[in-house]
Amino acid sequence: GQNIDQPTEMTATEGAIVQINCTYQTSGFNGLFWYQQHAGEAPTFLSYNVLDGLEEKGRFSSFLSRSKGYSYLLLKELQMKDSASYLCAVDTNAGKSTFGDGTTLTVKP
Amino acid sequence: DGGITQSPKYLFRKEGQNVTLSCEQNLNHDAMYWYRQDPGQGLRLIYYSQIVNDFQKGDIAEGYSVSREKKESFPLTVTSAQKNPTAFYLCASSPSRTPNEQFFGPGTRLTVL
Repeated sequence: GQNIDQPTEMTATEGAIVQINCTYQTSGFNGLFWYQQHAGEAPTFLSYNVLDGLEEKGRFSSFLSRSKGYSYLLLKELQMKDSASYLCAVDTNAGKSTFGDGTTLTVKP
Repeated sequence: DGGITQSPKYLFRKEGQNVTLSCEQNLNHDAMYWYRQDPGQGLRLIYYSQIVNDFQKGDIAEGYSVSREKKESFPLTVTSAQKNPTAFYLCASSPSRTPNEQFFGPGTRLTVL
């Protein structure tokens, strides 16, 4: 079966750093996506990790450990506009992605 | 501009009626997907198609039907057999290569009265 776990909610302060964790157990693994979704809108792509290690892209970084079935999304210098849901999704080898339930991040002034 | 469109953005239907949601893409992507999202929850896969004239059931296909007669189009019909159809429906497409990053349409919010 497919199982992807993320915290339901997180709160952080503007200007701070926040780490959103994702653990997964899936049948098949090509890589792991992170998407951002603002309320009422469509998800948008943030990152894709295939190999172990950290991928940095501006204020956002994503880490993957395939052996541990673990990933995290790191957001630095938080801004109010970063308040959104962050979806972890596993790219399986069945030509589809399996999504976690998402983590709702609230950034406070 | 290349992209993926869904229409309408809001849709209201009476209980017992079938309704078809539109999804069109001009990204030349082979694969297309339909997801359902309920409040505070993630995306659940309804159907997906990796090639024209072929599609597979996702995790929650009961009460839904699709067709893929053209590469650009992947309409979803919500039938009267779907017990709780009120939800936010998202269509996505992706190239058939790794990574298969998905590009999402703006979504259709369906309310069944």
